[in-house]
Amino acid sequence: QVQLVESGGGWVKPGGSLRLSCAASGFTFRDYYMSWIRQVPGKGLEWISYISSGSSDTKYADSVEGRFTISRDDATNSLYLQMNSLRAEDTAMYFCAGTYSSTSAFDIWGQGTTVTVSS
Amino acid sequence: DIQMTQSPSTLSASVGDTVTITCRPSQRMTTWLAWYQLKPGKVPKLLMYDASSLESGVPSRFSGSGSGAEFTLTIRSLQPDDFATYYCQQYSSYPLTFGQGTRVDIK
Repeated sequence: QVQLVESGGGWVKPGGSLRLSCAASGFTFRDYYMSWIRQVPGKGLEWISYISSGSSDTKYADSVEGRFTISRDDATNSLYLQMNSLRAEDTAMYFCAGTYSSTSAFDIWGQGTTVTVSS
Repeated sequence: DIQMTQSPSTLSASVGDTVTITCRPSQRMTTWLAWYQLKPGKVPKLLMYDASSLESGVPSRFSGSGSGAEFTLTIRSLQPDDFATYYCQQYSSYPLTFGQGTRVDIK
């Protein structure tokens, strides 16, 4: 079945790094435009990064620009988020999500992975 | 950036009620708006896209409407499975933005 499974979350100290992964199955991953979205505990959803089909275009929210890097490997149906210089305010549940075009709704979501940034 | 103002933040209702959630963008926009349902521990679910199109498999008691300056999600004959948190999201321009969410709980 159509599925996205995130991994790589955990606890890290401020200033540290983490790499999140998202494994896709059940659909043609290379055709999908992918994003990372996060939800701070008790708060709403925040889109943080996007990568186009074919990796030709990436976008970032101002809150993570210069610290986070999105990438994908279509050979292994995987999406990644390299997170550097982590801050306490990056503590959140991180979801990967996909759309079938650059201007469409997120019709595929993962279940999320939790990142905690604390000393 | 397009800010999405969603209301109410919390809504108490009973099974069988009809509820309406509103989303207002900070600037007029296209109908590139989606509604999602979130439940703790579950995968977020797309309900509506392009403001008024029902995602495949979503019950017809969900409907969406609106354009430009105001969008609404209506749930008719609320069912026990519908008690959840709902978010609107615009995909008209980057950065993509979500409303603050509406928690629908049991009265």
